[in-house]
Amino acid sequence: AQSVAQPEDQVNVAEGNPLTVKCTYSVSGNPYLFWYVQYPNRGLQFLLKYITGDNLVKGSYGFEAEFNKSQTSFHLKKPSALVSDSALYFCAVSYWDNNAGNMLTFGGGTRLMVKP
Amino acid sequence: DAGVTQSPTHLIKTRGQQVTLRCSPKSGHDTVSWYQQALGQGPQFIFQYYEEEERQRGNFPDRFSGHQFPNYSSELNVNALLLGDSALYLCASSPAGRNTDTQYFGPGTRLTVL
Repeated sequence: AQSVAQPEDQVNVAEGNPLTVKCTYSVSGNPYLFWYVQYPNRGLQFLLKYITGDNLVKGSYGFEAEFNKSQTSFHLKKPSALVSDSALYFCAVSYWDNNAGNMLTFGGGTRLMVKP
Repeated sequence: DAGVTQSPTHLIKTRGQQVTLRCSPKSGHDTVSWYQQALGQGPQFIFQYYEEEERQRGNFPDRFSGHQFPNYSSELNVNALLLGDSALYLCASSPAGRNTDTQYFGPGTRLTVL
C-alpha cells in the first residue's frame, strides 16, 4: 500500500519570502512523486514530478521540489512567494500494480496563504 | 491544443437518482482516470480506463461504473445516489497510464445530492 502525508493544513508566508510545503510518502518500490495545485473551483494543475535522477526537480511558475529518499520526503519550495501562489497544494505518489495501470494517491492538501 | 474537458460543470440530483458525467481526454492521450474529491479532502481514485476496459479500480462500490469509447472519451455513472456522493468529480488523462506518466486533470464536475 502507498500513502502520502501533508502534515500542515495551512502554511502562511509573506510575499517575497521563501516558502516550503511539506510532503512525506510511504511506498513499496521506487516512488514516483507529483505536486499539483488547485485554485478555487478549479481542477488540479500539474506543477512538477520526480521520477529518477537529480533530487532537485524544477517545475512550473518557479516552483521546485527536493526528493530525500532517506527521509521519504518530497517538499515543495519556492524562493520568493507571490500573492498569486495562494492556493491548495497536493502531493501525490504514483503506483503501478502488475501492469494493471497507475493510480495516484493524494495527500490531504495544504492551503498556502501568501500575504502582501 | 485542448486540455481535458468535462461536462456538465455543475449538477444537482436527489437521493436515489442516477447520474452520468462525461470526460474528453487531452489530445494524444488514451488513458482516462476518475477521482472523487470530497470537500476539504484530497482526490480519491475511483477507476482507470484504457483500451475501453476498466484497468484498475479504487475502493468504491459497484454503484460507480464507467465506460470508455473508441475515441478515448469516458463516462462515469453513479447509481442510487447517496448524500455522501456529493463531491467534485475529476477526470484525468495520460498517454498510456504508466506510473511515470503525468496525469492531466479537467476542471471537474460538482455534484450535489439533496
